[in-house]
Amino acid sequence: ETGVTQSPTHLIKTRGQQVTLRCSSQSGHNTVSWYQQALGQGPQFIFQYYREEENGRGNFPPRFSGLQFPNYSSELNVNALELDDSALYLCASSRGQNSYNEQFFGPGTRLTVL
Amino acid sequence: AQTVTQSQPEMSVQEAETVTLSCTYDTSESNYYLFWYKQPPSRQMILVIRQEAYKQQNATENRFSVNFQKAAKSFSLKISDSQLGDTAMYFCAFATETSGSRLTFGEGTQLTVNP
Repeated sequence: ETGVTQSPTHLIKTRGQQVTLRCSSQSGHNTVSWYQQALGQGPQFIFQYYREEENGRGNFPPRFSGLQFPNYSSELNVNALELDDSALYLCASSRGQNSYNEQFFGPGTRLTVL
Repeated sequence: AQTVTQSQPEMSVQEAETVTLSCTYDTSESNYYLFWYKQPPSRQMILVIRQEAYKQQNATENRFSVNFQKAAKSFSLKISDSQLGDTAMYFCAFATETSGSRLTFGEGTQLTVNP
């Protein structure tokens, strides 16, 4: 069983640019959640996708957007990058959207905005 | 608001000893799940242990156990026989029935196990 994978591992962008991060969910999982983890802090929920529909969103501006594909992989897009967007972006997949569904995390993408 | 507080930013323990990490949380919901996650330097977040709020019995997974005090909204993690590989950032988190599988995390406790 393949775990959750994310690409790229590291990324450096400049302020104002756009970025796309990718996540492949674990086999059999239909739900993907994205988290932002600033240095030295706990992860903050960005949004969740369940069966290709956005299913909950945290306190992030609209320039953070996402997609989920029919194979349940997902993308996180961030437009008009700001310095504060520098963080580790974690993707997690689960079998469903319920609170008892265990989430499995990928290794993350480290984004640096200069 | 739903919040998680971990009051110990850093802790250290000697190999083979026992250490307890603290966590308090706040939610108005009655049905929820509590988790402890471990994040080693490799960054991969790994589930250590989980507790269903409706269960009174404290969860145990090998060397890891929790002390769940629902009335006090406290959820501490005890690590027995600490090993060097336990060195990591530990996050307390919870998910409620209305929030689904969305997790609310604390700020984390950096645990260092010394030889």
